[in-house]
Amino acid sequence: DIVLTQSPALAVSLGQRATISCKTNQNVDYYGNSYMHWYQQKPGQQPKLLIYLASNLASGIPARFSGRGSGTDFTLTIDPVEADDTATYYCQQSRNLNTFGAGTKLELK
Amino acid sequence: EVQLQQSGAELVKPGASVKLSCKTSGYTFSNYYMSWLKQMPGQNIEWIGNIYGGNGGTGYNQKFKGKATLTVDKSSSTAYMDLSSLTSEDSAVYFCARVYTTDYYYFDYWGQGVMVTVSS
Repeated sequence: DIVLTQSPALAVSLGQRATISCKTNQNVDYYGNSYMHWYQQKPGQQPKLLIYLASNLASGIPARFSGRGSGTDFTLTIDPVEADDTATYYCQQSRNLNTFGAGTKLELK
Repeated sequence: EVQLQQSGAELVKPGASVKLSCKTSGYTFSNYYMSWLKQMPGQNIEWIGNIYGGNGGTGYNQKFKGKATLTVDKSSSTAYMDLSSLTSEDSAVYFCARVYTTDYYYFDYWGQGVMVTVSS
């Protein structure tokens, strides 16, 4: 299985930039695409797709969210952070089956 | 508007089985795959498997073979997951999620989740 590693938590101030990382133990690139996706999950809710194929913004997601990376290193950036962004963020790879990171909990300072 | 509506919370006894449903609307059910995923409290999300709405073709995570059985009813645009021989390790929230495309395999719409509690 491809293992995805995320930092457990991140604290940022309102209006600042949050950068959440996801590292994989195998390359998830294939024919020019990075098979990495990002989701936001708030307590008691289902995950919501934010970013697909590493850098593509999902429908209805504000441009404050962006994704980048390739190979084994990926980041999700939220800039500027708003109060409503407090949630857990998961990365998911689909290069080989589907596996998720353990999630990064974003909190406000 | 795409919607995935899951059935209500379940309390089941060890060794029993449970059938979860995911009723869809707002899109052509037979054109998409549906996945099921498991999330234990405070833990990671695991992919259980998927099923094609068009012909019921399935694919499973090896870990869940024998535990989960996926089916569909095209007439009602509903996907189902049977979980058998339940133990405390099966207590979790289970989500259905639409697979946008199997070329890239990400989940663009999710059901609200259903809590399954296995307890005597």
